[in-house]
Amino acid sequence: KAGVTQTPRYLIKTRGQQVTLSCSPISGHRSVSWYQQTPGQGLQFLFEYFSETQRNKGNFPGRFSGRQFSNSRSEMNVSTLELGDSALYLCASSLGEVNSPLHFGNGTRLTVT
Amino acid sequence: DAKTTQPPSMDCAEGRAANLPCNHSTISGNEYVYWYRQIHSQGPQYIIHGLKNNETNEMASLIITEDRKSSTLILPHATLRDTAVYYCIVRVRANFGNEKLTFGTGTRLTIIP
Repeated sequence: KAGVTQTPRYLIKTRGQQVTLSCSPISGHRSVSWYQQTPGQGLQFLFEYFSETQRNKGNFPGRFSGRQFSNSRSEMNVSTLELGDSALYLCASSLGEVNSPLHFGNGTRLTVT
Repeated sequence: DAKTTQPPSMDCAEGRAANLPCNHSTISGNEYVYWYRQIHSQGPQYIIHGLKNNETNEMASLIITEDRKSSTLILPHATLRDTAVYYCIVRVRANFGNEKLTFGTGTRLTIIP
């Protein structure tokens, strides 16, 4: 079974631009979560989608948004990029059932210059 | 989710058992213990989880104390590929929702040849 796939793997953007990251979950998984990882803050939860609905959100500004499609694929968008948005963005999928483990992709490394 | 405490780093000789401790003294009755690991430049990898009974899978064993205030992840025959940061997380799942995981700083395990 294929794992969680994130594209692109690396991205370089300029301050003020916007970016869209993509995540394809494991087949059959209906829940997709997004995390930001930086050396200073570690892994921080952004939001989670289940059946196209956002059902949990972390403490990030409104510039960070996401959506999920009917095939469970998800996208994350960051608008008006800031230097501090440079990070590894990780997507995780799960069955969405009680205590089903999360399975992570290898992330998209975003660099904002 | 309950807070966890892990040693920042550990070494283990190749071929020996690696025992990684985790303290979660404020864990509540419906919180599960999860272990993930992250190898440099990859996403976190799910290892194992448990509630109160010891658990074993093809990767590792999880030993949870009777009072559930601490646990130990055991890698029975450590290899160089087990060098990674190991995260212990306690997580409550009530039906659907709350897919948020709160990662601490983890234990950096180095396998010595």
